[in-house]
Amino acid sequence: GESVGLHLPTLSVQEGDNSIINCAYSNSASDYFIWYKQESGKGPQFIIDIRSNMDKRQGQRVTVLLNKTVKHLSLQIAATQPGDSAVYFCAENAGFSGGYNKLIFGAGTRLAVHP
Amino acid sequence: DTGVSQDPRHKITKRGQNVTFRCDPISEHNRLYWYRQTLGQGPEFLTYFQNEAQLEKSRLLSDRFSAERPKGSFSTLEIQRTEQGDSAMYLCASSLRDIEDGLGFFGPGTRLTVL
Repeated sequence: GESVGLHLPTLSVQEGDNSIINCAYSNSASDYFIWYKQESGKGPQFIIDIRSNMDKRQGQRVTVLLNKTVKHLSLQIAATQPGDSAVYFCAENAGFSGGYNKLIFGAGTRLAVHP
Repeated sequence: DTGVSQDPRHKITKRGQNVTFRCDPISEHNRLYWYRQTLGQGPEFLTYFQNEAQLEKSRLLSDRFSAERPKGSFSTLEIQRTEQGDSAMYLCASSLRDIEDGLGFFGPGTRLTVL
């Protein structure tokens, strides 16, 4: 079936370094992707999204890259801070063309930021 | 705080009991979604409502599960005859019709533990 997955389950970085979290998706027809951050005991928090007609989008300290050729998505966090420690999910919107947001999530990558 | 609230935050029940969860979405949002998240996994889509109409149900939603949104505002998710496999975090999210910012508004979730 269609799925969104992640290459690395755990990523440890030093405070101040840049972090890169990767994600592979399987549905080549997907046209919308979202990155979420989830802290312990909380619901997913929207970080940034990207449409398939783009290959890069930047936010505040975050950049999402989309490579449709290899069906790969990445989230780059610049100058990683302790507050960035969380689980990060990429999600593929399987229902957007129908006007609603049915998301398929990957399993998540835990980011641990060390001082 | 995203503006989506869920109650209760935690529920412990014995196998075979019925449980009901409530979600209050952001007031102007006409779309409401339920997701389920097991430990270490990404959320899985369960169902969604547009106003009071339940427009899609996942195959994950067995006949023991029922969701309602009677007045197009808050929603309830009921699980009858709970099983240990129902133990999970139940997440609610809301959005506006035709929102182009993705599904950004998740509630904090209700964590269900079935003993």
